[in-house]
Amino acid sequence: DVKVTQSSRYLVKRTGEKVFLECVQDMDHENMFWYRQDPGLGLRLIYFSYDVKMKEKGDIPEGYSVSREKKERFSLILESASTNQTSMYLCASSQRGGLSGANVLTFGAGSRLTVL
Amino acid sequence: AQSVTQLDSQVPVFEEAPVELRCNYSSSVSVYLFWYVQYPNQGLQLLLKYLSGSTLVKGINGFEAEFNKSQTSFHLRKPSVHISDTAEYFCAVSERGTSYGKLTFGQGTILTVHP
Repeated sequence: DVKVTQSSRYLVKRTGEKVFLECVQDMDHENMFWYRQDPGLGLRLIYFSYDVKMKEKGDIPEGYSVSREKKERFSLILESASTNQTSMYLCASSQRGGLSGANVLTFGAGSRLTVL
Repeated sequence: AQSVTQLDSQVPVFEEAPVELRCNYSSSVSVYLFWYVQYPNQGLQLLLKYLSGSTLVKGINGFEAEFNKSQTSFHLRKPSVHISDTAEYFCAVSERGTSYGKLTFGQGTILTVHP
């Protein structure tokens, strides 16, 4: 049945470590997104990708990078983790086409990252 | 750019009571409107969406929402809640004409249904 899989549900890392969060979707969706979820702040867009090797910055890209080498996989990279990056990270995907902007996002279950 | 404000961070309610979760948005262009729900330890799933047409939209699990263009609101309602409706609810908007469909979310409202 599923659809969007995030490889790690819980991670604990140390300050300065390089962190990879992986996301895979099996719906042949063109668009993929990384959001960060914090209490009281809702979800904030970090990066998104509308095609293989294409990426666009979202609202809070600082301290993050992404990689999309294959259509089904979208990786979020923290080059040097910091304590203020402790958060829940949600990956999502959607189709392109139809009514532009109207396509529903399908979310993964999330990856909770703690940086010590 | 658009923004979304959910007016209540927490809403406690008794089982079988009605509930309204409030959402206001601001945008310089036309938008599509969504409500998503997040149950504990899960990702988000779509409750309902407004694209065009009738301003009253019905979704899953007995929820409905009304789009009010003049007040730029999209409040979510349910006439009688169940314990299983306990979750966090997010209102979101996306710009019309944007093929990427990226969403801007509100801060979330935690609905707690008490027996």
